[in-house]
Amino acid sequence: EIVLTQSPGTLSLSPGERATLSCRASQSVSNTYLAWYQQKPAQAPRLLIYGVSNRAPGIPDRFSGSGSGTDFTLSISRLEPEDFGVYYCQQYAGSVTFGPGTKVDIK
Amino acid sequence: QAQLQESGPGLVKPSETLSLTCTVSGDSITDHYWSWFRQPPGRGLEWIAFMYYSGTTNYNPSLRSRVTTSIDTSKSQFSLKLSSATAADTAVYYCAKGSWKLDYWGQGILVTVSS
Repeated sequence: EIVLTQSPGTLSLSPGERATLSCRASQSVSNTYLAWYQQKPAQAPRLLIYGVSNRAPGIPDRFSGSGSGTDFTLSISRLEPEDFGVYYCQQYAGSVTFGPGTKVDIK
Repeated sequence: QAQLQESGPGLVKPSETLSLTCTVSGDSITDHYWSWFRQPPGRGLEWIAFMYYSGTTNYNPSLRSRVTTSIDTSKSQFSLKLSSATAADTAVYYCAKGSWKLDYWGQGILVTVSS
């Protein structure tokens, strides 16, 4: 099973700042099967990015994904107040696993 | 676009079977894979299983011995059964469309395992 780790655990930023979230895998992940989700309190996760860098329909272009192999990044170019929440990376290689999440606090 | 709704008991006794159903609307249940996830209070997401109407299934190895899934195409529903429930199974359970690219989710249902 591929284990995903995310850093930092918490990110506190002001609106307008850039957020950079990291996801590292215990072994190489196919680019096809790496995704990012946003979850707000008491809500279901929302798909943001799939296939490393493809934005899901309706996702603003301030969200972007990059990376390959074992290191992946989710960037939010200019934070909006509605971007607070927990962000999870997720992979599929026979089994589906999620990282522990990065909490983004808006200052 | 797909809409999903979980249903089932919110309270299950220890050692009993946790049973949930997800009703799909706005999309064909035979056109996609469908998944179950859970999230213990204050914790992260855990994949349980995904399935296809043809019978193809894939289960989380850590839960495989206790999980049974099924799809009823006539009712556009898919289901989860988790046997021998313990307090560790207390969580919000989500159903979702897809196997690894989960683009539509139900709102989630809190299931508490307690006597």
